[in-house]
Amino acid sequence: EPEVTQTPSHQVTQMGQEVILRCVPISNHLYFYWYRQILGQKVEFLVSFYNNEISEKSEIFDDQFSVERPDGSNFTLKIRSTKLEDSAMYFCATYRDTGELFFGEGSRLTVL
Amino acid sequence: AQSVAQPEDQVNVAEGNPLTVKCTYSVSGNPYLFWYVQYPNRGLQFLLKYITGDNLVKGSYGFEAEFNKSQTSFHLKKPSALVSDSALYFCAVRWGNNNDMRFGAGTRLTVKP
Repeated sequence: EPEVTQTPSHQVTQMGQEVILRCVPISNHLYFYWYRQILGQKVEFLVSFYNNEISEKSEIFDDQFSVERPDGSNFTLKIRSTKLEDSAMYFCATYRDTGELFFGEGSRLTVL
Repeated sequence: AQSVAQPEDQVNVAEGNPLTVKCTYSVSGNPYLFWYVQYPNRGLQFLLKYITGDNLVKGSYGFEAEFNKSQTSFHLKKPSALVSDSALYFCAVRWGNNNDMRFGAGTRLTVKP
């Protein structure tokens, strides 16, 4: 069964450093998303991406965040200058046209 | 504003008993409703969805949910709970032409032997 793949599974970084989280979507899926979950709590929407541009973003997705598909396959989330409060699980999800989103296993980010 | 609510942070049931995890929504237009399950240190796994058609939908692992338009609810149910059903359950909603999905706060289900 096709799946969404995320790397790294866990990253530890110092506050102020840049972090890139990577996602390989299910092939032929057209919509891509990033969500964040802090300490196993609520799953928060960050951004949606379609046709090589951002469709929608939440208030969490401020100027320190960016997304792109650098090579037509990977879908990345960049945090330019990490803060302590960015520590969370980051989930990539993709969607085609069946209604549901398919989620990756997540990337755990720890900011020290 | 579009939203989805899970009124219970925690649900405890005994193994073999029926379980219900509640979800209510508030959206304009027709909602698309979903249930996901999350096991510790894992991603979200899709359980079932309501898009259109029969109000009672059946999903993975013996779970089902009933769409109730008048009560704006989409409660998750299972006739006989298993200890292995213990996990975090999320209700989610999409609406209109919006392709984004919004999640409830989650309900932790604990099934005791």
